[in-house]
Amino acid sequence: KNEVEQSPQNLTAQEGEFITINCSYSVGISALHWLQQHPGGGIVSLFMLSSGKKKHGRLIATINIQEKHSSLHITASHPRDSAVYICAVRFGGGSNYKLTFGKGTLLTVNP
Amino acid sequence: NAGVTQTPKFQVLKTGQSMTLQCAQDMNHEYMSWYRQDPGMGLRLIHYSVGAGITDQGEVPNGYNVSRSTTEDFPLRLLSAAPSQTSVYFCASSGNWNTEAFFGQGTRLTVV
Repeated sequence: KNEVEQSPQNLTAQEGEFITINCSYSVGISALHWLQQHPGGGIVSLFMLSSGKKKHGRLIATINIQEKHSSLHITASHPRDSAVYICAVRFGGGSNYKLTFGKGTLLTVNP
Repeated sequence: NAGVTQTPKFQVLKTGQSMTLQCAQDMNHEYMSWYRQDPGMGLRLIHYSVGAGITDQGEVPNGYNVSRSTTEDFPLRLLSAAPSQTSVYFCASSGNWNTEAFFGQGTRLTVV
């Protein structure tokens, strides 16, 4: 079965701390997405990766295809980073449009 | 650029009522999809479409219908609402299988 696992489920940090959220998946993928959802809010795409590393501001996403693992890092965390972070993957290759989602990681950053 | 627009944002239905959740995108995306989000679970695919006139079932299609008469619009119909359909619904679109996905703001549906 194609599965996506995220860890941790919940994460509490102090402002300024370095945050890491992990995502692992069961079989080969064509792309991995990191998404952000604020409480009661919509879902925003942060990154789409198929290899290597991407950086946007204080956010960094990496993927290791051989190990079937991705990480989302937040440097110098801030209370406004408090949200649910969701990993989603497209399994297989070719034109598979479907996304399979992890259950999300609830991040709380305290001032 | 509006992106993906969902309406309504909130809805309360009585068991047995029908309704349509609207989804529209202005990015000329081929792929559109509907998901439901329930506590403790990842988003689950209800129905999807890879272009106008083409739809298919996802993981949890029962009780829902879709159609795709235009590239822009992908409405989700609840035929006879049940309390088990209480959920938050998201519509999403992407231009290709290897491009970014764009999500609507969600519809919070309660069936009483």
